[in-house]
Amino acid sequence: NAGVMQNPRHLVRRRGQEARLRCSPMKGHSHVYWYRQLPEEGLKFMVYLQKENIIDESGMPKERFSAEFPKEGPSILRIQQVVRGDSAAYFCASSPIQGQNTEAFFGQGTRLTVV
Amino acid sequence: AQTVTQSQPEMSVQEAETVTLSCTYDTSENNYYLFWYKQPPSRQMILVIRQEAYKQQNATENRFSVNFQKAAKSFSLKISDSQLGDTAMYFCASAGGTSYGKLTFGQGTILTVHP
Repeated sequence: NAGVMQNPRHLVRRRGQEARLRCSPMKGHSHVYWYRQLPEEGLKFMVYLQKENIIDESGMPKERFSAEFPKEGPSILRIQQVVRGDSAAYFCASSPIQGQNTEAFFGQGTRLTVV
Repeated sequence: AQTVTQSQPEMSVQEAETVTLSCTYDTSENNYYLFWYKQPPSRQMILVIRQEAYKQQNATENRFSVNFQKAAKSFSLKISDSQLGDTAMYFCASAGGTSYGKLTFGQGTILTVHP
């Protein structure tokens, strides 16, 4: 059973470009969570999704950031018109059906660098 | 709302010795979970140990154990027989309510194990 897969591992974007980060959850997991880790800081929750639904986006910046988890395919975190302050490591975690497991499994993260 | 505080930015220990990392938290949830995650230089988030708040018995995983003081809202991690591979950033985290993958992380403690 493969773990949570994130790609790319490293992404470099120029200011103003779009960044797309992909996350494939573990097999059988229907819950996906995105986190952002700024340098020298802990992870901060961004958004919680189930298939085709955003459950909690309380940690998402109001502009330029969006997330989806379609019926088929990976979850996507999209950042439009990136700025230097978006440079960070973005982690995805997945968990199975709510209530049956209390552990979220993390991917290895995508390090976004905006130049 | 939940908050997690780690007051020790850095700690060091000699190989084979014991070290304790501190964590305090605050939550309005009646049911919640507490976690310690390890983040080595590879950036992979690795679950070290978890504690269900409704359990009075402290969790133990091999060389890792916790001291859970619910009334004091304290959740410290003890690492016995420290090994060089324990060198990493350690994050304390909490999750509550019905969304156990929605974690609130502390700022982290950098642990260095010296030979």
